[in-house]
Amino acid sequence: LAKTTQPISMDSYEGQEVNITCSHNNIATNDYITWYQQFPSQGPRFIIQGYKTKVTNEVASLFIPADRKSSTLSLPRVSLSDTAVYYCLVASGGYGNKLVFGAGTILRVKS
Amino acid sequence: DGGITQSPKYLFRKEGQNVTLSCEQNLNHDAMYWYRQDPGQGLRLIYYSQIVNDFQKGDIAEGYSVSREKKESFPLTVTSAQKNPTAFYLCASSPQGGGRNTEAFFGQGTRLTVV
Repeated sequence: LAKTTQPISMDSYEGQEVNITCSHNNIATNDYITWYQQFPSQGPRFIIQGYKTKVTNEVASLFIPADRKSSTLSLPRVSLSDTAVYYCLVASGGYGNKLVFGAGTILRVKS
Repeated sequence: DGGITQSPKYLFRKEGQNVTLSCEQNLNHDAMYWYRQDPGQGLRLIYYSQIVNDFQKGDIAEGYSVSREKKESFPLTVTSAQKNPTAFYLCASSPQGGGRNTEAFFGQGTRLTVV
């Protein structure tokens, strides 16, 4: 299983762009990279998923370099409500593949 | 509407008692998972199942048991052998098949307090 490494915490201010990087040096060919957001006392929810290059949706962008050994979640113009824990997950989704979460990154957005 | 439901939201039990946490999904997902989360910590995998009547231990299975008799249901029993059961428990499901099918859908969690 590809192990992931993220910063423990990050601080930002409202309106700024936030980039959270995840390292996954042992990523396998079939692995996809998925990011989740978790608020206190709630289950994580899906933010974005990608395999290579860049993916963008209505809430975030995901940048993946050619070697795929890292990925960067970009949150544009954060607000106070973006304060949460963000998890990077690497998995192929095939039978026998378990979903193992790392410690995540605590993002604190200040006014 | 479709989703994954955990019940109850809060659960109190006396030390030494077994307790079962419910998890039901109507998303037609093959895979289901149980995680434990302690304050300020990440999610740790307890058990997972990728097909009916089959399940595997995760990283912290000791003191827990599960069953998967139906595709929709994956109950978790916290036994008296679990030395520190007070925690937030999360159930999740995901489709199978590889590739992009790794998006997990989570329930709202059950907060178990053992007194």
